[in-house]
This record gives sequence, C-alpha cells and structure tokens, in this order.
Amino acid sequence: EDKVVQSPLSLVVHEGDTVTLNCSYEVTNFRSLLWYKQEKKAPTFLFMLTSSGIEKKSGRLSSILDKKELFSILNITATQTGDSAIYLCVVEDSNYQLIWGAGTKLIIKP
Amino acid sequence: EAGVAQSPRYKIIEKRQSVAFWCNPISGHATLYWYQQILGQGPKLLIQFQNNGVVDDSQLPKDRFSAERLKGVDSTLKIQPAKLEDSAVYLCASSLGLIQETQYFGPGTRLLVL
Repeated sequence: EDKVVQSPLSLVVHEGDTVTLNCSYEVTNFRSLLWYKQEKKAPTFLFMLTSSGIEKKSGRLSSILDKKELFSILNITATQTGDSAIYLCVVEDSNYQLIWGAGTKLIIKP
Repeated sequence: EAGVAQSPRYKIIEKRQSVAFWCNPISGHATLYWYQQILGQGPKLLIQFQNNGVVDDSQLPKDRFSAERLKGVDSTLKIQPAKLEDSAVYLCASSLGLIQETQYFGPGTRLLVL
C-alpha cells in the first residue's frame, strides 16, 4: 500500500533557528512530490519536486528530493513566528492520485 | 485507522453534464472539507461542514455546485451542469474538531470536463 510518512509530527523551536522537516514515501508509480503550508483552512503550495538532487528555493525555504532513497526534506532557515503552521507532504502517482502525509506541526516561539 | 475515502478516482464527462463525488471521512471526525485544486494551484476551499451543518461555503459557486452531509458522516459534492473550467482534482479532508485541527486528506477525484 502506498504511503507517505512525515517526521517529526510536531516541532517547537525558537525564532531564528533552522528546521528540517522530513518526508519519506513508498509509492508504486511516483510522479511528483509536493510540499504545502497549512495555517488556516486551505493549504498553500510551496514546492513541487520531480527530479532528484535539484534543490528548489523560495526565500528562506528550500527543498530537495532523493528518488533513490525515497525521501524529501524541507528546510526553513532563520525561522520566524509566521512560519508556524502544519507542513504537508504529498506524493502524486502516475494516475494523478494524491497520497498525503499526516503533516508536521511546526511552532516557532518568539 | 482507515483514512479519508473518496470515489470515484477519476471521472470524464462532457460539459453541461452532471457529476457527483463521494467522501467518507475518518470515523469520529466532525469537520469535513471539500477543496477544488486546479493544476498548478493550491487547493481552494469550496465548503466546510461541522457535523451536518455548513460552516463556510463562501467560495462555493452555488449556481452549479451543491454539497450535503445529511447524517453528519459521509458527504457528496455535485456539479450540475459542469463547465470546462471545472476540470480539477476535488479533495475531501476531515478533522476531529473545528479550530486549527490537523486535516487529513483523501486521495482526490480527478475530473475532466470535455
């Protein structure tokens, strides 16, 4: 059965710290991996990764995919209180089905 | 624990036809969400239920979309009549409570309107 596992489930750090969120997957027909940030209701899109080893960056956030070891990481540097959210990892298979991770709840303390 | 179930997995229809999607949330979850995700965009909340009552349907195009959760468990989302721009993935999610709870997403239903 296809699955996506995120770790840790929750994380509390201080403002200014750097955090690394993990996402491992077992999906039969991998197509892409996506990261979302969820603060209120609808998740907001962060990154889509399809190729191994190519880092995607957006400001203080970056992500990379390892298709050999079947995982991705999301890095946030110089964290701010506004980074507090649930970060969701989802894998899309070749049939366009979405397999969601349970999310990592990140809390940034001032 | 069983996750959020959705059906069908895919649906292809012609414009002006009707379509319905079904969602069964995680057992015991009071809150149910329907999202529309168009390719390349983040999910857009269509409607949120708390048990069988509607909490938020401000972004639901009510002239053609309807949703119900009659017994406070599973839910259906209907489009009647469908337009080309309705082609998207329709996601269902559920959460235990109402406020800032972790949402658990289903696999989605991919709709193609021709």
